[in-house]
Amino acid sequence: NAGVTQTPKFQVLKTGQSMTLQCAQDMNHNSMYWYRQDPGMGLRLIYYSASEGTTDKGEVPNGYNVSRLNKREFSLRLESAAPSQTSVYFCASSEKWASGNTIYFGEGSWLTVV
Amino acid sequence: AQKVTQAQTEISVVEKEDVTLDCVYETRDTTYYLFWYKQPPSGELVFLIRRNSFDEQNEISGRYSWNFQKSTSSFNFTITASQVVDSAVYFCALSEGALTGGGNKLTFGTGTQLKVEL
Repeated sequence: NAGVTQTPKFQVLKTGQSMTLQCAQDMNHNSMYWYRQDPGMGLRLIYYSASEGTTDKGEVPNGYNVSRLNKREFSLRLESAAPSQTSVYFCASSEKWASGNTIYFGEGSWLTVV
Repeated sequence: AQKVTQAQTEISVVEKEDVTLDCVYETRDTTYYLFWYKQPPSGELVFLIRRNSFDEQNEISGRYSWNFQKSTSSFNFTITASQVVDSAVYFCALSEGALTGGGNKLTFGTGTQLKVEL
């Protein structure tokens, strides 16, 4: 019953370093997402992949890149980390891209940029 | 633009009390979907319920119940006989339909921290 699995769970980066958050889902879902959670702001969509082979910007894409490696995997890359990217990152997936499809989330990745 | 407001930042109750978490939404769409998620202290986000805009029936699942009222654009969540294990942050979220471009983008409220004490 893995669902959505993301790694690493915790990471500390220095300003300017790069890193990739990995995500995989085993529910055969078509759509995948990356959200960030900041205190007092709820969750905000960074990027999404409506289906394998496509990716699009969400609400807060600046400073990030994504790769939909295959149907199961969707990675998020920080090329040059900044303190403003200190956040909790959630990968998620849904069966389809259509509105209303339930989105299932991973356990979160806590990232601190110093 | 769509918006979700959870005006209650933090609520504290004593175990066995009933508690209602408020959620008010704004949307121009006639077709939309509302969700509640739970985030326990361990940090993961757990899906609780999904409701579409055409279904105004209240939903009950054990100690949990949801009251959807389109007239007041609200989708409130009540926990009956609260327990310590209910302590978590609860998020309400909205997904709009085709009128605003479609797709499955969730707009989240800022969450309500519920603390249930013995």
